[in-house]
Amino acid sequence: DTAVSQTPKYLVTQMGNDKSIKCEQNLGHDTMYWYKQDSKKFLKIMFSYNNKELIINETVPNRFSPKSPDKAHLNLHINSLELGDSAVYFCASSQPGTGVYGYTFGSGTRLTVV
Amino acid sequence: GIQVEQSPPDLILQEGANSTLRCNFSDSVNNLQWFHQNPWGQLINLFYIPSGTKQNGRLSATTVATERYSLLYISSSQTTDSGVYFCAVTQTGANSKLTFGKGITLSVRP
Repeated sequence: DTAVSQTPKYLVTQMGNDKSIKCEQNLGHDTMYWYKQDSKKFLKIMFSYNNKELIINETVPNRFSPKSPDKAHLNLHINSLELGDSAVYFCASSQPGTGVYGYTFGSGTRLTVV
Repeated sequence: GIQVEQSPPDLILQEGANSTLRCNFSDSVNNLQWFHQNPWGQLINLFYIPSGTKQNGRLSATTVATERYSLLYISSSQTTDSGVYFCAVTQTGANSKLTFGKGITLSVRP
C-alpha cells in the first residue's frame, strides 16, 4: 500500500535524451510536488500542483515540464538531458490546510546522465 | 526567503548514546517536519510538529515556535538510526512550499 510511488527508481541515460518520471499518490491529497536533491544532499522544490493546477514553478529550466493529468498523478518530463541534471528527484504530496499529515515523499528516482 | 539552519552538521555516536539535533528557522512557520533519509535514500517522515512535543518510541521532538527552533532527541541510538536528518518548514502564504535545512549526518557505530 505505497502512499506515494515513483517510477523508475533508477534512470541512466545519455546526454541529449528525453526522459520521464512518473508519480502517483493514493492518499487523496490535493497537492503534489517535485523536489530535486543534489549531490550535496540539499533538497529544493521544483514544482507544485494543486488539483491539477500549477502553483509553484521555482526557476527551473524549461527543459523540465511537469504534467498532472489528475490530482493523483504528477509526471516530470525532461528534454535534452544535461550532465548537471544528474540528481535524485523526489515526488511528494500533502493536504495543505489540514496540517494533519504534512508531506509524504516517494522513494526517489536517481537520474544519472552520462 | 526563510532560512533553516541545522546543527551540528555531522554527528558520530556510539551505539546506545543519546543525542539532540537542532533546527533554527528565521521566520514564523505553520508547519515543521523532521525527516530521516536512510542510507538507501528513502525520506521517512518522523514528526509533523509545528509546535509542542511529540514522542515516538526512542525519538521525540519539541518545537518552540515563538523562539523559532525545534529539537529532535534520539535516545539509546542504534546503528539503524544512521543517515541524514532533515528539518523542513512551510510558511503561511507560501503555497505550502517546504524549505529544507542542509541536514545533519548521523553515524552510529556499533
